[in-house]
Amino acid sequence: KAGVTQTPRYLIKTRGQQVTLSCSPISGHRSVSWYQQTPGQGLQFLFEYFSETQRNKGNFPGRFSGRQFSNSRSEMNVSTLELGDSALYLCASSFTVALDTQYFGPGTRLTVL
Amino acid sequence: QQQVKQSPQSLIVQKGGISIINCAYENTAFDYFPWYQQFPGKGPALLIAIRPDVSEKKEGRFTISFNKSAKQFSLHIMDSQPGDSATYFCAASIRGAGNNRKLIWGLGTSLAVNP
Repeated sequence: KAGVTQTPRYLIKTRGQQVTLSCSPISGHRSVSWYQQTPGQGLQFLFEYFSETQRNKGNFPGRFSGRQFSNSRSEMNVSTLELGDSALYLCASSFTVALDTQYFGPGTRLTVL
Repeated sequence: QQQVKQSPQSLIVQKGGISIINCAYENTAFDYFPWYQQFPGKGPALLIAIRPDVSEKKEGRFTISFNKSAKQFSLHIMDSQPGDSATYFCAASIRGAGNNRKLIWGLGTSLAVNP
């Protein structure tokens, strides 16, 4: 089985722009979670989607949004980028929303200049 | 209450030695404690996990020790190898409303195993 794929792998944007990141989960997995990883804050949960519905949300501002499509693929959008948004954005998939084992993609490295 | 405190932040071990990483939590509602391993350029990968009804779990060279009364758990890597050099994250899982689960992560330990 193919693993979780994320595109693009690297992205450079400037302040004020917006960005869309994409995640394709493992085939058959219906839950997709997004995390922000930074050296000082570790992994911080953004949100989780299951069957196209947001099931769980972390403590991030409304500039961070996401969605999930009928094929379980998910996109994350960040509007009005700030320097502090520079991070590795990780996507993880699992079979169901209540399952503990998450499988992570390699991440998208976002740099905001 | 939702925090997981991980230590040390970094660790250097000689090949063949024992690496020990510790985590502590406050919320007794946590009911699943996984450890993830992350290599540079990769996402975290589940290494080993334990539930609080078990005091120890071993998988190969990796062992989780769990102390429920102290609200602490630790990862022991026996016979550490250079290929174990990675960042290790502990986490704690809690079930919330609507059958949702949330993983609370430690800040990670960067392990370097010298040859």
